[in-house]
Amino acid sequence: NAGVTQTPKFQVLKTGQSMTLQCAQDMNHEYMSWYRQDPGMGLRLIHYSVGAGITDQGEVPNGYNVSRSTTEDFPLRLLSAAPSQTSVYFCASSYSSGTSGRNEQFFGPGTRLTVL
Amino acid sequence: AQKITQTQPGMFVQEKEAVTLDCTYDTSDPSYGLFWYKQPSSGEMIFLIYQGSYDQQNATEGRYSLNFQKARKSANLVISASQLGDSAMYFCAMRETGANNLFFGTGTRLTVIP
Repeated sequence: NAGVTQTPKFQVLKTGQSMTLQCAQDMNHEYMSWYRQDPGMGLRLIHYSVGAGITDQGEVPNGYNVSRSTTEDFPLRLLSAAPSQTSVYFCASSYSSGTSGRNEQFFGPGTRLTVL
Repeated sequence: AQKITQTQPGMFVQEKEAVTLDCTYDTSDPSYGLFWYKQPSSGEMIFLIYQGSYDQQNATEGRYSLNFQKARKSANLVISASQLGDSAMYFCAMRETGANNLFFGTGTRLTVIP
């Protein structure tokens, strides 16, 4: 199993450009999510999905779009990049937890994005 | 209000000694889960240990144990016999009932001194 994969690993954008961060998992996980990590702020949830065709907003969704057409893939789109979106982006997946159980999230290796 | 608070931005520990990383949480949900993740300098997020709110015993995973004090809403990570490879950022996170979303603290950077 490859686990959770993300591409690209690094990206530099100019303000106003758009791009898609790719995320894929091969563990048949229902739940997938995107986080951003900024210095001193931990990881914050951008968007998440509990299954194909179902997405919802997290804590910091502005400026980002997602879709989930398959169980495996969960791309994150930046519509018009801004310097405030400079960050490290992590994709994660897990089985849907219900209400109990360990069910830890597995994280991809991250994408380091710089917006100039 | 912060759901997860980690008050130690940085910690130092001598190799082979034990260290405790603090984590307090805030929730009114009676059912929740607490997680610790390690992030080495290479950047990946590595799951370490889980504690469920109804678990009767403190969780342990090898050299990692969780000092869970429910009434105080604290879930401190204890690393025994520290190794140089333990130098990393450590994040505490919480998941509430019926949700998969994790709320993360701001992390503690642990440095193990030889």
